[in-house]
This record gives sequence, C-alpha cells and structure tokens, in this order.
Amino acid sequence: AQSVTQLGSHVSVSEGALVLLRCNYSSSVPPYLFWYVQYPNQGLQLLLKYTSAATLVKGINGFEAEFKKSETSFHLTKPSAHMSDAAEYFCAVNHSSNTGKLIFGQGTTLQVKP
Amino acid sequence: GAGVSQSPSNKVTEKGKDVELRCDPISGHTALYWYRQSLGQGLEFLIYFQGNSAPDKSGLPSDRFSAERTGGSVSTLTIQRTQQEDSAVYLCASSWAFGQEETQYFGPGTRLLVL
Repeated sequence: AQSVTQLGSHVSVSEGALVLLRCNYSSSVPPYLFWYVQYPNQGLQLLLKYTSAATLVKGINGFEAEFKKSETSFHLTKPSAHMSDAAEYFCAVNHSSNTGKLIFGQGTTLQVKP
Repeated sequence: GAGVSQSPSNKVTEKGKDVELRCDPISGHTALYWYRQSLGQGLEFLIYFQGNSAPDKSGLPSDRFSAERTGGSVSTLTIQRTQQEDSAVYLCASSWAFGQEETQYFGPGTRLLVL
C-alpha cells in the first residue's frame, strides 16, 4: 500500500530563512507526487507535482521539490520565507495506476515569524 | 475562469438528519473527486467519478454515505442519519482527465458540523 509521511506537524521559520518541509513516501511502483498548500478557510492549491519528467520540480511562489528515489523523499523547499507563506502544506501521492485518487500526508503547518 | 465551487459553505445539522452537499466542477473537467478533512483523520479520499464509468466508492466510510454525478457535471454527496463523527470539511476536486499525473483542482469545501 502506498503512504505518505510528513515529518513535523508544525514548522516555524523566520522571515527570510530557508523553508524545508519533509515528505517521504512508500510506493511499490513509480509514484506521482504532489505538494498542495491550504490557506485558512480555503481549499487546496497545487504548488508543484512530480511526474517523472525531471527530479527537481519548480512550482509556484518560489517553491521547489526534489524527488530522490534512493531516499524515497520529496521534500519541499523555498530559499527565503515570506509572511504570506504561512499556511498548511500537504504532500500527496497518487494511489495507483488505475485511479486518480490521492493519498495525503498529515500536513505540516508552516509558521513564519517576523 | 471559474474554479470548483461548493455549497453550502457551512452546514450545521442535528444528529440523525440527512444532509446534501453540492459540488460544481470546473467546466469541461471529466473527473470529479470527494475528500473529507477532519482533525483526527486528516485528508481522506471518499469517492471519484470519471466520465460515464462506474464510480470508485472505495473510500466511503459507511453505507450512510452516497454520491451521484448528474449529466457528467454537478455532483451531490449525501450523508444519511448524520453522526457527530461526520463533522468535517468535505472537499470536492475536479481534473481535466483521469490519470495519475492529472492535477486535481479543489473547491473551498463545505464545513459540516453535526450537533
């Protein structure tokens, strides 16, 4: 069975500091991986996705993630945090080649301190 | 263009009542998904529809939950005889096509509170 683990339910960084949100997956087949962001009282918005075209994926708002098969990881990074980045972030993996349903991690709340 | 819309945005109901939640996907999207977001369980898949194929209902937690999609567009999620543990945010998503790599676009959700 496929699953996703996000290490750290809460991450706090200072404005301008590096953002690193961790995601590890387990999958018996090559995965499709996604990062979504959820702002308060809103739905999920796609930040970026890995579909095997390139291991380093660039997304919106300056975020990027690197797929590392050897580490089964897909960590999300941003060089310099902005106050507007404060939100909840979800890593997700597609369930199987026969469906489009996503399996989500538990989420990481990012706090950005001034 | 318009995104995925859901109604109502908030719903308060009494235990034992039935509720209907509506989702309007992005025009032209053929796949539609329902997820539930709750404090204890995180984000869980419930059901998805793809074109005229039979829906995948494997995520529905009990037979009190059902969903339909009329005319390949609007979808309604129905919860019968609601229980307090049904309290959650119900998210709908749609995508252009069916497939592992397809981006799912999410609506703002319906917050359901069962008293």
